[in-house]
Amino acid sequence: DQQVKQNSPSLSVQEGRISILNCDYTNSMFDYFLWYKKYPAEGPTFLISISSIKDKNEDGRFTVFLNKSAKHLSLHIVPSQPGDSAVYFCAASDRDDKIIFGKGTRLHILP
Amino acid sequence: EAQVTQNPRYLITVTGKKLTVTCSQNMNHEYMSWYRQDPGLGLRQIYYSMNVEVTDKGDVPEGYKVSRKEKRNFPLILESPSPNQTSLYFCASSLYGTGNEQFFGPGTRLTVL
Repeated sequence: DQQVKQNSPSLSVQEGRISILNCDYTNSMFDYFLWYKKYPAEGPTFLISISSIKDKNEDGRFTVFLNKSAKHLSLHIVPSQPGDSAVYFCAASDRDDKIIFGKGTRLHILP
Repeated sequence: EAQVTQNPRYLITVTGKKLTVTCSQNMNHEYMSWYRQDPGLGLRQIYYSMNVEVTDKGDVPEGYKVSRKEKRNFPLILESPSPNQTSLYFCASSLYGTGNEQFFGPGTRLTVL
């Protein structure tokens, strides 16, 4: 069973608009949640993270929201730019430093 | 330049022929980890290491071995590769653990015939 789910395999957003990527998890013992971005033929790169004791973290155009009661987090990208086209992985980390990744969402930014 | 390097980048081998994929980081990171990426399955953790001589199983450790004899190196060993280990492999490191930013290598594409 998937502990971290990204239910949208792909998402298309107009350039300049807001991109919202969603992620659900099942294990309430996760203590950190992270987003990674991946371009083809490259390794993933870290984007932003949030501790389980917070509900929002912002870094420039990127904001992550955590709703613990719903076991849901989302990544907001505002405004979306062409270079944001990539695969985005949601990940959850536990206190034993294991990490579970979602299957990814491919984001297409349309001109 | 701070980086994680993996070798080889591409490898085609045959079933049962032992192989090692090397991973090295120059950032003095405590934590290192191996992942495999498969279509439709995302990234799955194979093994990780909190420090020298300390290793632990991730989600999919079967068929793999690792060692951490030095802080900078974390090789992935396939003693008897099988076709279901055909995959894209990533090594990563971070200062302390998975709650910190992990830096990923460029990947190793392995094909087992």
